[in-house]
Amino acid sequence: DAGVIQSPRHEVTEMGQEVTLRCKPISGHDYLFWYRQTMMRGLELLIYFNNNVPIDDSGMPEDRFSAKMPNASFSTLKIQPSEPRDSAVYFCASSLTASGNTIYFGEGSWLTVV
Amino acid sequence: RKEVEQDPGPFNVPEGATVAFNCTYSNSASQSFFWYRQDCRKEPKLLMSVYSSGNEDGRFTAQLNRASQYISLLIRDSKLSDSATYLCVVKGFQKLVFGTGTRLLVSP
Repeated sequence: DAGVIQSPRHEVTEMGQEVTLRCKPISGHDYLFWYRQTMMRGLELLIYFNNNVPIDDSGMPEDRFSAKMPNASFSTLKIQPSEPRDSAVYFCASSLTASGNTIYFGEGSWLTVV
Repeated sequence: RKEVEQDPGPFNVPEGATVAFNCTYSNSASQSFFWYRQDCRKEPKLLMSVYSSGNEDGRFTAQLNRASQYISLLIRDSKLSDSATYLCVVKGFQKLVFGTGTRLLVSP
């Protein structure tokens, strides 16, 4: 079975550029989560969707960040303009329910902003 | 104060040792608790859920103390393959909150 699929796996971009991260959740999963992981702050929830509707975006750091889920099989996280402090691993995860023991992570998108 | 706090480690132990990690959480309304494992440069994966009565999965034992808002993970007979970062995870209303993790290094 395909797991959560993220792209790109690695991206290096210059400050000020737009970055778009993509995610395909596991088919049939109703919840989709975007997390950011850094050494200093660990895993932080940025936003999550239920049935394609954003439920909680309180973790989105600022207006430069936006996320969409146009359909049940695709989501994007966009950073515009990017800054060096955005460098992190961005994980997408999906789950069938809101229960933690059914959440599955993608392999992550490693972003470096120089 | 962080919602979930863990000692970052690293914990350096020899093979065969028993090691315990602790975690505290601040939200008394938290509903569910988990330990996740994250290997270097990989995604987190569920290790086990944590129940009030305590639960065991092979060499791994998890305990929850709701009164003290404290979760523990005990690993017996450590293996080299146990080397990883262990994330304490607490669930509130639909959201998982992750600790920053405790790093374990098991040496030969």
